[in-house]
Amino acid sequence: GAGVSQSPRYKVAKRGQDVALRCDPISGHVSLFWYQQALGQGPEFLTYFQNEAQLDKSGLPSDRFFAERPEGSVSTLKIQRTQQEDSAVYLCASSLVIQMNTEAFFGQGTRLTVV
Amino acid sequence: AQTVTQSQPEMSVQEAETVTLSCTYDTSESDYYLFWYKQPPSRQMILVIRQEAYKQQNATENRFSVNFQKAAKSFSLKISDSQLGDAAMYFCAYRTAPPNTNAGKSTFGDGTTLTVKP
Repeated sequence: GAGVSQSPRYKVAKRGQDVALRCDPISGHVSLFWYQQALGQGPEFLTYFQNEAQLDKSGLPSDRFFAERPEGSVSTLKIQRTQQEDSAVYLCASSLVIQMNTEAFFGQGTRLTVV
Repeated sequence: AQTVTQSQPEMSVQEAETVTLSCTYDTSESDYYLFWYKQPPSRQMILVIRQEAYKQQNATENRFSVNFQKAAKSFSLKISDSQLGDAAMYFCAYRTAPPNTNAGKSTFGDGTTLTVKP
């Protein structure tokens, strides 16, 4: 695709509900990142994939958060038993190669509101 | 752990004037990358400029330039000839260089909201 695509753009979940957020990276991009951005703050790292391998998940806030990228392309961030503090924008980014100075292209994010 | 601090929550500039956004960071690493991103209301983060820590020369991209002071751990962004389309939130970001095991993740500051007055 032309850019990183995230869906849905907006999600309202009732507390306790499970949600799944999808990220379609740019075709051929090896690296994929998930970030959480609370209102008025900068993005916070959640997890990082290189192809299908999850190399770093140190930013996942709890075991309710789970991310996967089974075929090294599309990734899904799943949040189980959502809580109000999970309300945030979830950003996905991808980059072509592994070298870390290459540009990461971001999607428009999914705004999750837990009520 | 690395930290990134943007001490100016809001800045404003007159159209066609110059503005400088501040960023400081804390790290014990010698090799890393620094970035400035722009985030308009659409939420999509757009790379403005990048700097490799091992390069002494300050990066420039058209109207955007940085003042990278490695010893002071400072990385400010200068926008010249400001345009209305520059209005957005600007984030400074730090990324560890490989082969560090933390390479890949970026640490962002809390952003500076830039207003451009016509």
